Amino acid sequence: GAVVSQHPSWVICKSGTSVKIECRSLDFQATTMFWYRQFPKQSLMLMATSNEGSKATYEQGVEKDKFLINHASLTLSTLTVTSAHPEDSSFYICSASRESYEQYFGPGTRLTVT
Amino acid sequence: QKEVEQDPGPLSVPEGAIVSLNCTYSNSAFQYFMWYRQYSRKGPELLMYTYSSGNKEDGRFTAQVDKSSKYISLFIRDSQPSDSATYLCAIGGNNRLAFGKGNQVVVIP
Repeated sequence: GAVVSQHPSWVICKSGTSVKIECRSLDFQATTMFWYRQFPKQSLMLMATSNEGSKATYEQGVEKDKFLINHASLTLSTLTVTSAHPEDSSFYICSASRESYEQYFGPGTRLTVT
Repeated sequence: QKEVEQDPGPLSVPEGAIVSLNCTYSNSAFQYFMWYRQYSRKGPELLMYTYSSGNKEDGRFTAQVDKSSKYISLFIRDSQPSDSATYLCAIGGNNRLAFGKGNQVVVIP
């Protein structure tokens, strides 16, 4: 149990376009979903926390207008990178939590902006 | 002072050796302690989860927590090449997790 999927697993887009990444909890209902960003050989950087039906809480320094998060249901959250630029290229990972502090991570999405 | 400190230095060990990893944390409000394993280009996988001081064992893995010293450890016995990955500690509290930088472990056959 506790499987989280992400789609797509990798995406290449042109500068200025928007990209949507989906995160789904497949076999449980997630009370909270988290979005992280990870640069090579670096740790996970929390971008935002979202609860179903409410606005996401963004970490300091993360532009909420650039990284749009929608938590439509207890099993689905989406991250949209708007007007992507090469510096947005990174590994984006979501996680889902059903209770306490256990977080179950998706496989990640590698975004490359050309 | 960072919330979680984990020396990111890579660690290479021969197959069968014991791997020892550790983290320190600064905020005593953190009450939950986790270790994640992350293979290259994959999401982290939860390995161990505990909320009390002492040892917790799961197969070849032992997580150790010392709340008085704010120090947590992960031990991997009889290490295998398949254990080669990055290991991240995570400390939970205030409805969020704080992650260490991760240790890259290489087990040499």
